[in-house]
Amino acid sequence: QVQLVQSGAEVKKPGASVKVSCKASGYIFTDYVIHWVRQAPGQRPEWMGWINAANGNTKYSEKFQGRVTITLDTSATTAYMELSSLRSEDTAVYYCARDLVPISRGWTSDWFDPWGQGTLVTVSS
Amino acid sequence: EIVLTQSPATLSLSPGERATLSCRASQSVRTFLAWYQQKPGQAPRLLIYDASNRATGIPARFSGSGSETDFTLTISSLEPEDFAIYYCQQRSDWPRAFGPGTKVDFK
Repeated sequence: QVQLVQSGAEVKKPGASVKVSCKASGYIFTDYVIHWVRQAPGQRPEWMGWINAANGNTKYSEKFQGRVTITLDTSATTAYMELSSLRSEDTAVYYCARDLVPISRGWTSDWFDPWGQGTLVTVSS
Repeated sequence: EIVLTQSPATLSLSPGERATLSCRASQSVRTFLAWYQQKPGQAPRLLIYDASNRATGIPARFSGSGSETDFTLTISSLEPEDFAIYYCQQRSDWPRAFGPGTKVDFK
């Protein structure tokens, strides 16, 4: 079955960076786009960006442009999301999610299914 | 930027009852709308995409309808495991965005 397993919780100081991993299994890794979505406590989910696992192309939300970097290690079937210049407002659960449709369709659906279990990132001095 | 609003904020119902949740977009999203279910401590789960298509493994009691700016998620007969928060999400414009959610809780 398709599974996305994320790295463990992190505690960071303001101004630091965090890198979260997302290990995929149960499907051909390079056949799908991987998205990153975060959810602050008690808030709605917020889309951050995606990476095309076939070619490494990325698209980021303007809100995070310049602070977020999404990368791949295709040999390890793992995607990574790094967020820099952390502030307290970045405290959230960070999720990776696979796109619903394969890249071979020629477009991303931007529907998220399935999701990883989430990684809590706490930013505190 | 398209803004999604959801109503009601909380829906208090009993098992077996019908749930009707609304999502409204600030401008047309055509049928580029999805619904997700989220239970405490869990990731969201895709229920409905493209306004009315059930995702794989989603029971038939969940249905979606609507287009342009007004959408509805209907749960025909609530099961105990359906008490959760439901979010709508649009993919018509950037950034992809979610609504604030509707909590379905026990009456």
